[in-house]
Amino acid sequence: RKEVEQDPGPFNVPEGATVAFNCTYSNSASQSFFWYRQDCRKEPKLLMSVYSSGNEDGRFTAQLNRASQYISLLIRDSKLSDSATYLCVVNSYGFQKLVFGTGTRLLVSP
Amino acid sequence: EAQVTQNPRYLITVTGKKLTVTCSQNMNHEYMSWYRQDPGLGLRQIYYSMNVEVTDKGDVPEGYKVSRKEKRNFPLILESPSPNQTSLYFCAIRGTDTQYFGPGTRLTVL
Repeated sequence: RKEVEQDPGPFNVPEGATVAFNCTYSNSASQSFFWYRQDCRKEPKLLMSVYSSGNEDGRFTAQLNRASQYISLLIRDSKLSDSATYLCVVNSYGFQKLVFGTGTRLLVSP
Repeated sequence: EAQVTQNPRYLITVTGKKLTVTCSQNMNHEYMSWYRQDPGLGLRQIYYSMNVEVTDKGDVPEGYKVSRKEKRNFPLILESPSPNQTSLYFCAIRGTDTQYFGPGTRLTVL
């Protein structure tokens, strides 16, 4: 079983739609959680950290459920520019190692 | 803003021909790391370095070497590249809360 698992998608949604991604992790001792965004063949970029109380950044909302060991990302009012792969990332070993999911691909169409 | 540079950005080489991929950062960060990204496998850590002259293996170190003689540079060395090392490589630094990636090096070993 992979340490971090995501649905690979793709999720095809029209502009303006709301879309949600989930991610599960297996290490209950995991300490911190992130969503990264990766455009095709480019470097992953931090989208947002995920806090226990949930957090929001504009159209993006992240949630963490430690009891069930899953993380979610909600994107409201999708834009064409949101088309990318979204990586769920977990820090379980201090800051020297991040564990990445394989990513969920989002395609937003006009 | 922290900046990570990698060179070369693209490289096609042949089996057995030694190569080095350079990584440099401009913010005096202590921690640096190398990842490779392959379809269906996500990002996997190759090596990391906590400071000058301090390096350690990640999940997939076989076939790679690194050195950290000065804080700003963390080169990745492939002494005898093989086709299974064809991949997209990212160097990363650790910021205040998570890791930030360089632009990537696409390596093809024929």
